Amino acid sequence: DVKVTQSSRYLVKRTGEKVFLECVQDMDHENMFWYRQDPGLGLRLIYFSYDVKMKEKGDIPEGYSVSREKKERFSLILESASTNQTSMYLCASSIGGEGSSYNEQFFGPGTRLTVL
Amino acid sequence: RKEVEQDPGPFNVPEGATVAFNCTYSNSASQSFFWYRQDCRKEPKLLMSVYSSGNEDGRFTAQLNRASQYISLLIRDSKLSDSATYLCAVNGRDDKIIFGKGTRLHILP
Repeated sequence: DVKVTQSSRYLVKRTGEKVFLECVQDMDHENMFWYRQDPGLGLRLIYFSYDVKMKEKGDIPEGYSVSREKKERFSLILESASTNQTSMYLCASSIGGEGSSYNEQFFGPGTRLTVL
Repeated sequence: RKEVEQDPGPFNVPEGATVAFNCTYSNSASQSFFWYRQDCRKEPKLLMSVYSSGNEDGRFTAQLNRASQYISLLIRDSKLSDSATYLCAVNGRDDKIIFGKGTRLHILP
């Protein structure tokens, strides 16, 4: 079974703090994704990566950055957390390389981030 | 037209009944279609892929209608444990997978 793990299930941070969310997958997947999910807005893609050291902006990258130094690990960074970044953050991975985004995605358990 | 649309529901269905819901998509060139299930405060989990010929897994049947650009999910003999939000996913114009906002299903005892 594909396993995608995220560093924290729940996180509480203060406005202005730098926040790191980590995601690790153990199936040697090429593609990794970060989403946020909010009531009524569904899943929104923040950033994705098709390979180590590669990153692509999704639909809502503002206020976020990412790092992919190793194939199995994809980190999401909130440079200066704000209250409007309170959300459920979901990491996902899929098999295949660049251009092979048709494959099904497998999600981690999510991190519920609250910014005070 | 939004890239992927679903009726948000909720669908309130008695246990044992059959329920179906659709997901419409705007990109006629889409090739990949999926149904996910998401329980409250949990992550989406892949339920099934949707192939051109359809797909069946036990009580669940997924179908693709290319002419009308929608996919459907049929649940037969519904169980209380089927209560969840069902998300569809379709590859969009830029080849990224686009998720619908989900349809909430409540199975009533």
